Amino acid sequence: DAGVIQSPRHEVTEMGQEVTLRCKPISGHNSLFWYRQTMMRGLELLIYFNNNVPIDDSGMPEDRFSAKMPNASFSTLKIQPSEPRDSAVYFCASSLPGDYNSPLHFGNGTRLTVT
Amino acid sequence: QKEVEQNSGPLSVPEGAIASLNCTYSDRVSQSFFWYRQYSGKSPELIMSIYSNGDKEDGRFTAQLNKASQYVSLLIRDSQPSDSATYLCAVRSGGSYIPTFGRGTSLIVHP
Repeated sequence: DAGVIQSPRHEVTEMGQEVTLRCKPISGHNSLFWYRQTMMRGLELLIYFNNNVPIDDSGMPEDRFSAKMPNASFSTLKIQPSEPRDSAVYFCASSLPGDYNSPLHFGNGTRLTVT
Repeated sequence: QKEVEQNSGPLSVPEGAIASLNCTYSDRVSQSFFWYRQYSGKSPELIMSIYSNGDKEDGRFTAQLNKASQYVSLLIRDSQPSDSATYLCAVRSGGSYIPTFGRGTSLIVHP
């Protein structure tokens, strides 16, 4: 199994630019999570999808952030316009749907730097 | 609000010793518990999961769960310098599929 695949691994952009992060979950994992990790705040949930439908987006910081899951094998997290305070590591994770004992499997993350 | 608390550390132990990492949680209906290891600059990696009261052993790792006292711990026997990392506790409650993560405990195993 290839695991959760995220791209790009690193992204450096200037303030005001649009940033798109991509995620391919493990096949059959219909639950997908986007997290942001910083030293100050730790691991924060941004949004949770189940069967391609956003279930909980209460962690999305503001309207500049949007996420989509057009099909079971692909999700995007977009930031427009980006700001320096968005600099963090963004993780995508997936798990089996409906199984509370199913752990989250994390991708390698995207390290975003906004200058 | 569901809370998962961990001592941030760092916890420093000598090589070969037992490292004990603790995690407390606030939601009494929590039912699934996970320990992740995260090396600096890497993603969280699942080490152990536990669902029932008692101990669960996997190699040098033992997870201990006490639902009455609302804590879960991770013991690492014969600690190695390669165990030096941040250990994250995650708790999933009945009724919510979203796990709550603690801030993590930094472990340093010195030779």
